[in-house]
Amino acid sequence: LAKTTQPISMDSYEGQEVNITCSHNNIATNDYITWYQQFPSQGPRFIIQGYKTKVTNEVASLFIPADRKSSTLSLPRVSLSDTAVYYCLVGDGDSGYALNFGKGTSLLVTP
Amino acid sequence: EPEVTQTPSHQVTQMGQEVILRCVPISNHLYFYWYRQILGQKVEFLVSFYNNEISEKSEIFDDQFSVERPDGSNFTLKIRSTKLEDSAMYFCASNRASSYNEQFFGPGTRLTVL
Repeated sequence: LAKTTQPISMDSYEGQEVNITCSHNNIATNDYITWYQQFPSQGPRFIIQGYKTKVTNEVASLFIPADRKSSTLSLPRVSLSDTAVYYCLVGDGDSGYALNFGKGTSLLVTP
Repeated sequence: EPEVTQTPSHQVTQMGQEVILRCVPISNHLYFYWYRQILGQKVEFLVSFYNNEISEKSEIFDDQFSVERPDGSNFTLKIRSTKLEDSAMYFCASNRASSYNEQFFGPGTRLTVL
């Protein structure tokens, strides 16, 4: 399994754009990059997934450089409700595989 | 929007007792999972289940644990003889075929072993 490294914590003010970078130097050819969000006492929630270049949905954007050894989750104009732990996961693209969660990045958004 | 549901939301039990945690995955999903999260720690994979059998399990999922899909809707996790260290949030998740790593998690059951 590819190991991921991301900052333990980040702080932001409301309305700012937040970029969380994850490094995954030994990513394999079949691996996809997936980000989850978890609020306290709740289950993780899928945010976005990508293989290469850029992916955007209604919640976030995911930027993946050509070498795929890192990725950046971009949250536009965060609000207080975006305070959560964000996990970067790298794994095989097939269904049925275990998700390997690390410690994640604890994002605190303040007024 | 369909959701994964779990019952109970909180279970308190005495050490050595058996507990069964229940989950109803999203109806057209084919893959089912259990994860746990000890307070303040990371989410840990326990087991995955597909086509009525275990497809993968972690070291945590020892002989004290078992899973079952007793009917077309429920997915259960049984802990035969609970230990203090089994106290954790237990999350059920499911996904459909070809959904890559997009798993849908339930709200969790908080298990407290006294």
